[in-house]
This record gives sequence, C-alpha cells and structure tokens, in this order.
Amino acid sequence: DAEITQSPRHKITETGRQVTLACHQTWNHNNMFWYRQDLGHGLRLIHYSYGVQDTNKGEVSDGYSVSRSNTEDLPLTLESAASSQTSVYFCASSAGTEVGIQYFGAGTRLSVL
Amino acid sequence: GQNIDQPTEMTATEGAIVQINCTYQTSGFNGLFWYQQHAGEAPTFLSYNVLDGLEEKGRFSSFLSRSKGYSYLLLKELQMKDSASYLCAVMDSNYQLIWGAGTKLIIKP
Repeated sequence: DAEITQSPRHKITETGRQVTLACHQTWNHNNMFWYRQDLGHGLRLIHYSYGVQDTNKGEVSDGYSVSRSNTEDLPLTLESAASSQTSVYFCASSAGTEVGIQYFGAGTRLSVL
Repeated sequence: GQNIDQPTEMTATEGAIVQINCTYQTSGFNGLFWYQQHAGEAPTFLSYNVLDGLEEKGRFSSFLSRSKGYSYLLLKELQMKDSASYLCAVMDSNYQLIWGAGTKLIIKP
C-alpha cells in the first residue's frame, strides 16, 4: 500500500543546531507540503513543492528550507533551531489534479530547548 | 487578511446528530475541505465542496454557501470513534489550503 512516512517521530534538539526532518511518500504524488501545528492555530504552511526541483515558500517559511531532488522525498531543514520552532510538523502529499485532497504523514514532534 | 472561524469545542451524545459550522474570508475560493484528526494522529480527508449545496458521504455530509462564506459538517448517528477534531480548510486563489484551528468534538455515551 502507498504511504507517506516521516522520521524521526520525536526529536529533541538545542537552540542553534541544524535539524532535518525527513518525509518520504510512495504515492507518486507531484505535490508535497510541510505544515506546522500549534495549539490554538490551524495548520500553517511552511514550504511546498509541485514537482522535482520546484520549491515554494509558504506562510511561515522563515528559518526553514526544503529541497526536492526526486518525487518521493521532501526533507525539511531548520537551519538554526529556535525555541519558537518547537511544534508538531506534518508532511503531506497530493496528486497533481487534486491539490486539496492531501495525505498526511504521522507527524514529527520537535522540541527545541 | 484570510480567516477561517469554527467553534473551539462541541459536545454531543452518542447516536445523535451534530453540526459543525465554519465561516471563512479568503482571497479567492477554490473549494472547501473537511478533515478529521484524532488526538495525536495525522489529519485525514473527509469531504470537499466546490459548488453550493450538500454533499453526502455515508454518515457525514458537508454543505457550502459561497455567497455567505459558510459551510457546515453534519455528522449523523454519532459513534464514540467520532470523538476527534474536525478541521475546516479553504483553498485560496493561490491553490493553498488555509486552515481553521479545528473543532474538538466530544462524544458522551
């Protein structure tokens, strides 16, 4: 069965360290997204990609970067982790023609101390 | 700015019907989506509306009025497993989903 997996599921890091969260999907979807979810807020879009070599900034992209070298993977990098980036991070993917019907990974809970 | 409003929390009884409302103000509209999210889990897609009216999917139905910027999700014959958060999201003119903060639905026996 096709799936989307995130790793690690939990991560604790220190302020200033670089952190990379992995996202791998076997749906063969062109579209991939990274969101963060915080209490009292809706999901907020960090970065997204509509295909290989395509990346775009979302609403809350400062301090984050992504790269898309193949269809399956969209790693999210926190260049210098800050306490404000403590959150639950979700990766999602969708087919090219159904952008809004997104399949989510299980999430990564990141704590920056 | 863009805004999606939905109640923070609702309580209903097992076997009953509940309606979760969502109002929105966005730059452009390319569809309204409902997702379910159980505590500690990922969101899962439930339904979407592009045109005005009611879409029915088993025990779940979703309604849209574009002129009023309004949608609701109707859950019938509530089961304990329906206890979850329900997320309303609108696709804006840039084909990005703008998400509400979610409505936590508590089902009591």
